[in-house]
Amino acid sequence: GESVGLHLPTLSVQEGDNSIINCAYSNSASDYFIWYKQESGKGPQFIIDIRSNMDKRQGQRVTVLLNKTVKHLSLQIAATQPGDSAVYFCAEKTGANNLFFGTGTRLTVIP
Amino acid sequence: KAGVTQTPRYLIKTRGQQVTLSCSPISGHRSVSWYQQTPGQGLQFLFEYFSETQRNKGNFPGRFSGRQFSNSRSEMNVSTLELGDSALYLCASSPSLAGSYNEQFFGPGTRLTVL
Repeated sequence: GESVGLHLPTLSVQEGDNSIINCAYSNSASDYFIWYKQESGKGPQFIIDIRSNMDKRQGQRVTVLLNKTVKHLSLQIAATQPGDSAVYFCAEKTGANNLFFGTGTRLTVIP
Repeated sequence: KAGVTQTPRYLIKTRGQQVTLSCSPISGHRSVSWYQQTPGQGLQFLFEYFSETQRNKGNFPGRFSGRQFSNSRSEMNVSTLELGDSALYLCASSPSLAGSYNEQFFGPGTRLTVL
């Protein structure tokens, strides 16, 4: 069956440093992936997505990398800011199926 | 533009009771999806409504149901509550059915505690 998980449940980084959040998936047929950010007391917020025909996609201060060989997804946040403190989780989609979500990594930015 | 609103924000019920949660989508959005979020399982899709019809459903028992009104507002109902139903229930609205996920916006959720 599918499993979407994260290597680390918590991550602490110094303000200004880069953050890397990882996600492993088990379904090699998944063809679409999303990273979400969820701040305390709020619902998830779409950050960036990537399709399986791409290895890398960049947004504003964020980059998602997809390694299909090892079924690994990562989110890189450049120059991490206190406002980046949140839970980040990935989601995968296989064809027309619904999204399948991971449980999340809590990122704490140390001022 | 107002975001997605959910009421109530917090709710405490006892086993066996039923509960109704409400979601008001962003103005102009016609699709409403419901999710359950727990620490152990993460976010899980419950169902999606569009034009007052359930269009998509996740793997939850029949105790979980929903509906959508003509103004796109939606409610979900959970009957015969179990302890395991304690969770954050999130509603998300989108302009259309099967649209882009970057156009889907979540509400703050309703925290349900079942005692």
